[in-house]
Amino acid sequence: QKEVEQNSGPLSVPEGAIASLNCTYSDRVSQSFFWYRQYSGKSPELIMSIYSNGDKEDGRFTAQLNKASQYVSLLIRDSQPSDSATYLCAVKRGGADGLTFGKGTHLIIQP
Amino acid sequence: EPEVTQTPSHQVTQMGQEVILRCVPISNHLYFYWYRQILGQKVEFLVSFYNNEISEKSEIFDDQFSVERPDGSNFTLKIRSTKLEDSAMYFCASSAGGGSYEQYFGPGTRLTVT
Repeated sequence: QKEVEQNSGPLSVPEGAIASLNCTYSDRVSQSFFWYRQYSGKSPELIMSIYSNGDKEDGRFTAQLNKASQYVSLLIRDSQPSDSATYLCAVKRGGADGLTFGKGTHLIIQP
Repeated sequence: EPEVTQTPSHQVTQMGQEVILRCVPISNHLYFYWYRQILGQKVEFLVSFYNNEISEKSEIFDDQFSVERPDGSNFTLKIRSTKLEDSAMYFCASSAGGGSYEQYFGPGTRLTVT
């Protein structure tokens, strides 16, 4: 059974601070890891992808992957109120495999 | 910027009726997917489609469901005999393939079964 676990929150962070979101997964064969942002009533929007151990930075976002610990994280620097949303962690094996999603972490950025 | 489109945005149907949800994936993408999200729950994978055939399907994707790529642009999900529990948001996604595994989602179709 492929499982992706996230703390559902809400996670409340002051504006301008760093938001840290975490995710663990059970399927050791997973090769690709993604973070999506989902606003209420909207579809998932891809923020970051990461495939190898270590850090990957894109603007204010940094994804971190540790395959040995089966752990993925997302850091959001200089958090803005517009970052308030549910953040979904998703993993997949290879090729045409579908994504397995976590339930998401609800992030609230306080002005 | 290219995007996945879906029609209709909202579909209301009666239990037992057939529905077809339509998607236009991003041009030149090779992999196509359907997901659903029941209100308040997580996004769940239904099926993936590549090279004109199903590549993977979940336990949710039973005989009531089918997918088709009737032409070079559309990708459809058919539910033959809808049940109340089929009420959900249905998302189509596509990815380029060739080593690029990022999946881009359409805006979704809200299906309400009464």
